Amino acid sequence: AQSVTQLDSQVPVFEEAPVELRCNYSSSVSVYLFWYVQYPNQGLQLLLKYLSGSTLVKGINGFEAEFNKSQTSFHLRKPSVHISDTAEYFCAVSDGGNNRKLIWGLGTSLAVNP
Amino acid sequence: NAGVTQTPKFQVLKTGQSMTLQCAQDMNHNSMYWYRQDPGMGLRLIYYSASEGTTDKGEVPNGYNVSRLNKREFSLRLESAAPSQTSVYFCASSKQRRQANTDTQYFGPGTRLTVL
Repeated sequence: AQSVTQLDSQVPVFEEAPVELRCNYSSSVSVYLFWYVQYPNQGLQLLLKYLSGSTLVKGINGFEAEFNKSQTSFHLRKPSVHISDTAEYFCAVSDGGNNRKLIWGLGTSLAVNP
Repeated sequence: NAGVTQTPKFQVLKTGQSMTLQCAQDMNHNSMYWYRQDPGMGLRLIYYSASEGTTDKGEVPNGYNVSRLNKREFSLRLESAAPSQTSVYFCASSKQRRQANTDTQYFGPGTRLTVL
């Protein structure tokens, strides 16, 4: 069965510092990978997704993620964070079959401090 | 476009009461989903619907029923609310009916439900 592990439940960081939010998945088949962001008191919205092709995926708001098949990871990065990036970030995976269900990580709370 | 809308935004129920959470999308999407979000447990799928007239159970369907009224609307009903159903409920939609595992899901703002 697939699973997703977000390795850090909370990540505090200062404004303008770089950040990496880590995500590992377990799957024996080809996968599709997603990062979603949830701002306080809002629904989730897609940051970026990997379906195929280049392993470096660029998303909205300056975020990017790298798919590493050998390490089964899909870490999210931003070179310089802003206060407005304070949010909950969720990694999710689905398999290459016809299963429309996403498997969600538990989330990483990013707190950007001035 | 309003995207995905949910009503109500907040609700307090007593144990045993019933209620229906409403969800509508104006993006002409085929698939719709109901999730619950609990601290430390992330998002869990309750039910989903790949198209009008079809619904399927997710991870945690017990205690819930759904209706896909038409392409736009997907409601979630709690017949007899329990304190364990205290949660934040999100509705989502995605465009495709097939290969929906590659699709972006679009989420509503959520309903915060407390069952006393």
